[in-house]
Parts: sequence; C-alpha cells; structure tokens
Amino acid sequence: AQSVSQHNHHVILSEAASLELGCNYSYGGTVNLFWYVQYPGQHLQLLLKYFSGDPLVKGIKGFEAEFIKSKFSFNLRKPSVQWSDTAEYFCAVTYSSNTGKLIFGQGTTLQVKP
Amino acid sequence: EPEVTQTPSHQVTQMGQEVILRCVPISNHLYFYWYRQILGQKVEFLVSFYNNEISEKSEIFDDQFSVERPDGSNFTLKIRSTKLEDSAMYFCASRPQAHTDTQYFGPGTRLTVL
Repeated sequence: AQSVSQHNHHVILSEAASLELGCNYSYGGTVNLFWYVQYPGQHLQLLLKYFSGDPLVKGIKGFEAEFIKSKFSFNLRKPSVQWSDTAEYFCAVTYSSNTGKLIFGQGTTLQVKP
Repeated sequence: EPEVTQTPSHQVTQMGQEVILRCVPISNHLYFYWYRQILGQKVEFLVSFYNNEISEKSEIFDDQFSVERPDGSNFTLKIRSTKLEDSAMYFCASRPQAHTDTQYFGPGTRLTVL
C-alpha cells in the first residue's frame, strides 16, 4: 500500500540547534514529494517540493530536503532553527499512478525553546 | 495572494444531522480535494474532484459523503447523517492543473459531532 512514515513524532530543540526530520515512503513508482508546515492556528503551507532534477531542494525559511531514491527517503533539514519554527511538519507524497492525492505522514511536532 | 477559503471555521452538530462544509478554491484551479484529520492522527485523503466529477475517493468516503461544485466557485462536502467518528478537521485543497503543481490548502473546518 502507498504510505508515508515520519520517524519523529515530537521533537524539542533549542534555538540555533540543527534539525533533521525523517520521512520515508513506500515504493509505488514515480513520486512527487512535499513537506508542508502548519503553524499554530494556521493552515497547511508548502515548505518545499521535489519532482525531478537535483535531489537537494531548497524551500522557504531556510529549509531544505534531500531525496534519496535508494532509501525511499525525503528528510527535511535546517541548520539553525528559530523559535518561530515551532509548528507541525508533514511529509507527503503523490504517486504518478493516482489523481494527485496527497498521502501524508503522521506529522512531527517541533517545539523550539528560546 | 489568492487563498483557499473555508466556512464555517467550526461546526457543531448532533449525531444523525446533515452538515455541509463549504470551500472556495482558488479561481483558476482545476483539481479539488477534501482531506480530514482526526485529532492526533494523520491527514487523510477523502476525495478528489475534476471536471465536475469525482476522480478518486478513499474508503472513508462512503455513501454518507458527497461533494458538489454547484456554481463554479464553491466546492462543498456534505455528510448526510453524521456520526461521532466524523468529528475531525476537514481541509479543502485545490491545485492548478499539472500533476506537479502544488496543492493549496484552506484553513479547515473543525467539525464536532455530539
């Protein structure tokens, strides 16, 4: 079955610490990969996406993610987090075989302490 | 910047009642989606809609659910006879056209079934 798993459910970091959130997806052919963020009280917003080309993609607010096809992974990274990065982070996938529906991971709650 | 909007932001209803959740997608978008997130669980796909018909639906989207685009701007999700387990946050999303386009999400409607 097509699925996405995020390894970290709740992460607590201090400001300026580095962040890496894991995301793995199940094999299902050609994939498009996304990271969405949901700040408290706000709607889901796109952080970054990968469709093809350079497997290292850069998104907004200093976030980046690396697509490693052999590992079915798309981990999110940020070298130095800020208090304002406190939010819930969702990895999501679309498979070329479906209608563009997003399949989400369970989400990771990031809490950054000032 | 254009946004997806949803109304109401919070709906409380009695079990067995019908509810209609409303969404206004971004105007030049062609693909429309409903997702839901039960508290503490992952965001789940419900249905996708293109060219005035359902293009894909999940197992959750049973006969109690229906979608409609009645007037070319609104996109509605109807639940005919709500159950306690329908309590969730319901998100509407839309995307322009290509499979590689980003889906834009609305702020969600929190449905509480008593």
